Amino acid sequence: AIQLTQSPSSLSASVGDRVTITCRASQGIASPLAWYQQEPGKAPKLLIYDTSSLESGVPSRFSGSRSGTDFTLTISSLQPEDFGTYYCHHFNNHQFTFGPGTKVDIK
Amino acid sequence: EAQLVESGGGLIQPGGSLRLSCAASEFIVKYSYMSWVRQAPGEGLEWVAGFYTDGATYYGDSVKGRFTISRDTSKNTLYLQMNSLRPEDTAVYYCARDRQGYDSSGYFYDAFDIWGQGTMVTVSS
Repeated sequence: AIQLTQSPSSLSASVGDRVTITCRASQGIASPLAWYQQEPGKAPKLLIYDTSSLESGVPSRFSGSRSGTDFTLTISSLQPEDFGTYYCHHFNNHQFTFGPGTKVDIK
Repeated sequence: EAQLVESGGGLIQPGGSLRLSCAASEFIVKYSYMSWVRQAPGEGLEWVAGFYTDGATYYGDSVKGRFTISRDTSKNTLYLQMNSLRPEDTAVYYCARDRQGYDSSGYFYDAFDIWGQGTMVTVSS
């Protein structure tokens, strides 16, 4: 089964900083990834689907991309409401896999 | 606005059974791919089961043979029947709607675009 790793596992950044989170698969994957944000005590929220498509209503400071086997979520200018844990997500052969999460704190 | 509301969680002894419900509004479950996803306390997300529009069902390895996903189209509701519960099944259980499609390169994508608020299941003696 495909396993996803995320780096870093946690980060602390200041408002206005550019933040990058990477998701890597244990084996090469051709199909797209999705990204979610989860605030403490709340359900996850879809940010990016199909690797780079922005979900409706999500601020444009969020973007997704891919370079080879690495998938990246970028927050161009971190805002106070962007704290939480970010998860990548992959679907393959009727099985869904989530990355372990990246916790983002605001300095 | 499309919404999912879960119910049915609670405290249950190991070996017991529980059925979770997920009521949908502003969209039709019959025409949607649906899943259950769980999150153990302090842990990450784990996909549990999926129900396709053609009636096909799929399960994660940790629940295969113990959990059953189903739907009632007349009630626009998704269910998760959980049997032989174990302490490691303790988690918040979310239902979610899958958005599926093909991108411009022909690759199939899937993402959970609507989530319920979650219902807590605690398996303990």
